[in-house]
Amino acid sequence: GEEVAQTPKHLVRGEGQKAKLYCAPIKGHSYVFWYQQVLKNEFKFLISFQNENVFDETGMPKERFSAKCLPNSPCSLEIQATKLEDSAVYFCASSQWAGEETQYFGPGTRLLVL
Amino acid sequence: SQQGEEDPQALSIQEGENATMNCSYKTSINNLQWYRQNSGRGLVHLILIRSNEREKHSGRLRVTLDTSKKSSSLLITASRAADTASYFCATDPLDSNYQLIWGAGTKLIIKP
Repeated sequence: GEEVAQTPKHLVRGEGQKAKLYCAPIKGHSYVFWYQQVLKNEFKFLISFQNENVFDETGMPKERFSAKCLPNSPCSLEIQATKLEDSAVYFCASSQWAGEETQYFGPGTRLLVL
Repeated sequence: SQQGEEDPQALSIQEGENATMNCSYKTSINNLQWYRQNSGRGLVHLILIRSNEREKHSGRLRVTLDTSKKSSSLLITASRAADTASYFCATDPLDSNYQLIWGAGTKLIIKP
């Protein structure tokens, strides 16, 4: 598609439950990035993919967060055993190449952990 | 870690006036990008300026980059009510594997 698509738009989970977020990058884009925005403040980088391979995962909390980008499927970000502090808007972005390239963002998934 | 710092944190001006937002960063970069985030909505990419560029224009937007001072400015001319939003700068540092590092944003309010 011509836009980055993210689903669901909103997600509410009880503390300890699992949350799974999806992202379909723009067709033809090789790079996918996940960012977390807490309370409308700055964005924190989580992980990036080059096609289905993890490119950079230095921002990922090691224990409860995982992500995948499989061929012919939307990319996914999964949070096991959610905590209150995971409440945030999770944005996915894609770019055709890396370096000197605009990253195009999806509308985000707003996760609320109660 | 936060790379960009933006000022002011909030800016309120009358419609028709110009708005200037500044961004400072800490490390050498490949490029710097400005994004707009409307309330409740996603991010809209505004402009990308490369490290070897000093100024770039797009419609009513003018971005400058001073790599010696590690700073950038975004000027919106003839502001409109629809420009009300938060504006973020994001840098692509040289050694970052292309992850964008973000400032905290400037909240711009345009009064009719």
